Amino acid sequence: EAQVTQNPRYLITVTGKKLTVTCSQNMNHEYMSWYRQDPGLGLRQIYYSMNVEVTDKGDVPEGYKVSRKEKRNFPLILESPSPNQTSLYFCASKESGGISYEQYFGPGTRLTVT
Amino acid sequence: EDKVVQSPLSLVVHEGDTVTLNCSYEVTNFRSLLWYKQEKKAPTFLFMLTSSGIEKKSGRLSSILDKKELFSILNITATQTGDSAVYLCAVTKTSYDKVIFGPGTSLSVIP
Repeated sequence: EAQVTQNPRYLITVTGKKLTVTCSQNMNHEYMSWYRQDPGLGLRQIYYSMNVEVTDKGDVPEGYKVSRKEKRNFPLILESPSPNQTSLYFCASKESGGISYEQYFGPGTRLTVT
Repeated sequence: EDKVVQSPLSLVVHEGDTVTLNCSYEVTNFRSLLWYKQEKKAPTFLFMLTSSGIEKKSGRLSSILDKKELFSILNITATQTGDSAVYLCAVTKTSYDKVIFGPGTSLSVIP
């Protein structure tokens, strides 16, 4: 089954404790992206990657890191989480380039930073 | 600064009503406009629009883009309770693959 998976689905952590949210897709997509979703703000793009070893900042990259060492994986790293990073996070992927912009979203990770 | 605005932000209708959701945008290097439906989970893709005046249709849903006036509408006819969701509008740009989402319209369809 074609899908994007994220882990963990739920996470409660404390300020300053480094964490990683994993994202993996099995569709051989070149493009992957991370979003956060907050009430009233919609989805905001954090980082995206056009291909392996190619990453770019979205609109809200501060406090986040990403890496793209393999095509299928795109982990999101919070080196020192803060309460304002409490949010619902989505990973997404799509075929890069071309006219198709149908992104496939993962199920979401709900993060709470206390 | 790139911006996507949606209206109304929330809407309550009765089953069978027709609704129109609005999306306006101000972005440089516009490439396409996308509509997504989000229930209590991840967004699912509805439409992609790139050309003005060409209606996209899927069942009771349809959408059209006006690139001159910089807006799009999403119409849902004969609404059902299963249409209750947040509808997200997003814009993509030609220069790079950033995606800018609007805040969404929360639609509630009551029996």
